Amino acid sequence: AQKITQTQPGMFVQEKEAVTLDCTYDTSDQSYGLFWYKQPSSGEMIFLIYQGSYDEQNATEGRYSLNFQKARKSANLVISASQLGDSAMYFCAMREGRGGGADGLTFGKGTHLIIQP
Amino acid sequence: GAGVSQSPRYKVAKRGQDVALRCDPISGHVSLFWYQQALGQGPEFLTYFQNEAQLDKSGLPSDRFFAERPEGSVSTLKIQRTQQEDSAVYLCASRKGSEAFFGQGTRLTVV
Repeated sequence: AQKITQTQPGMFVQEKEAVTLDCTYDTSDQSYGLFWYKQPSSGEMIFLIYQGSYDEQNATEGRYSLNFQKARKSANLVISASQLGDSAMYFCAMREGRGGGADGLTFGKGTHLIIQP
Repeated sequence: GAGVSQSPRYKVAKRGQDVALRCDPISGHVSLFWYQQALGQGPEFLTYFQNEAQLDKSGLPSDRFFAERPEGSVSTLKIQRTQQEDSAVYLCASRKGSEAFFGQGTRLTVV
């Protein structure tokens, strides 16, 4: 079973509209972290936002917010007032406790977001 | 520099050739990760270092893959006898706190 599922391979959104990118996750750990990264065509992974499993408030960072629904194991990214520069691949990722200090990220397959003028 | 630096940015290797990919993490970052990103996929974890200790190499796909970080700073990912299926972008990340900072990656093409 996939640990991170992103069901939208691609999305087209009109500039200035809000957009929601879906992410569901699967873990049996009580303590975990959820991340969203943006990957433009240049290839680097740009950190956007983080949500800890024990955080009671949804994370927000500027135009980005994370709609965290723990019972549903859902961590959707919301981008408000989209801009042309938001066009990129977006990856949801999770960090679980693996023991021994090893805590790499598990990524979803990504959503290709295209903002249209 | 301020960010994670990887070199080379692009590498073309003939099948069977050995390659070495370099990662310069952010100064002071204890944790370092390598990921492999195949075309159209999300990155997949390869290995993890805490300082010079390689604490997890469970993601390395075969014994042809080897990573080291001898002085706890710069890391090298080595792939011996490259195969076509090794073609991918190899991403390095260093971490402090919750956030991992990624380099721009090395795009390896095996021909």
